[in-house]
Amino acid sequence: QKEVEQNSGPLSVPEGAIASLNCTYSDRVSQSFFWYRQYSGKSPELIMSIYSNGDKEDGRFTAQLNKASQYVSLLIRDSQPSDSATYLCAVLQGEGYQKVTFGTGTKLQVIP
Amino acid sequence: DTGVSQNPRHKITKRGQNVTFRCDPISEHNRLYWYRQTLGQGPEFLTYFQNEAQLEKSRLLSDRFSAERPKGSFSTLEIQRTEQGDSAMYLCASSVSGQGMGVDTEAFFGQGTRLTVV
Repeated sequence: QKEVEQNSGPLSVPEGAIASLNCTYSDRVSQSFFWYRQYSGKSPELIMSIYSNGDKEDGRFTAQLNKASQYVSLLIRDSQPSDSATYLCAVLQGEGYQKVTFGTGTKLQVIP
Repeated sequence: DTGVSQNPRHKITKRGQNVTFRCDPISEHNRLYWYRQTLGQGPEFLTYFQNEAQLEKSRLLSDRFSAERPKGSFSTLEIQRTEQGDSAMYLCASSVSGQGMGVDTEAFFGQGTRLTVV
């Protein structure tokens, strides 16, 4: 089982719709969760972090965390073509010293 | 610029040569990560440091790879006897080590070094 799993996509949504990106993780004691956006040929850019169960909203982005189900998601409202990118889920996990582990990313395509 | 800085941005080398990359983290960040990323994949963990101590090295990493962070500030990643399979983007990130809930533990990335082995 991979430590952090994501559907590779591509996920295609029309402009203005809600994009829903999902991630599951294996380490039950993980406490910190992150979403990064990565444009082709560029390095990952942090867009959201979440530490507690529930929802966290920042502009058009909402991160959702359910530790009991080991599940974290990212919703993008009013999707724009500029949101087209790969979205990486990352989890701070491990025993003792923890490290940030990434999923393989979900490619999002927003169609004008 | 107070972000993470990586040099060089691009490196083309012949198979069998050694290469060294440098990463300068955000100044107050005590944790530094190295990742490798190939096309269509997420960043793959290589190694990380807390201050000058190397805490973990990926077991997938061969002995040709070595990293240092001698004074707990900048770090170098060296690849000896490069192979074509080493061609990838090498990413450095830095963060503050987490001490529990509410501590800012986000990792911020540099622009990466793209290595091409010919």
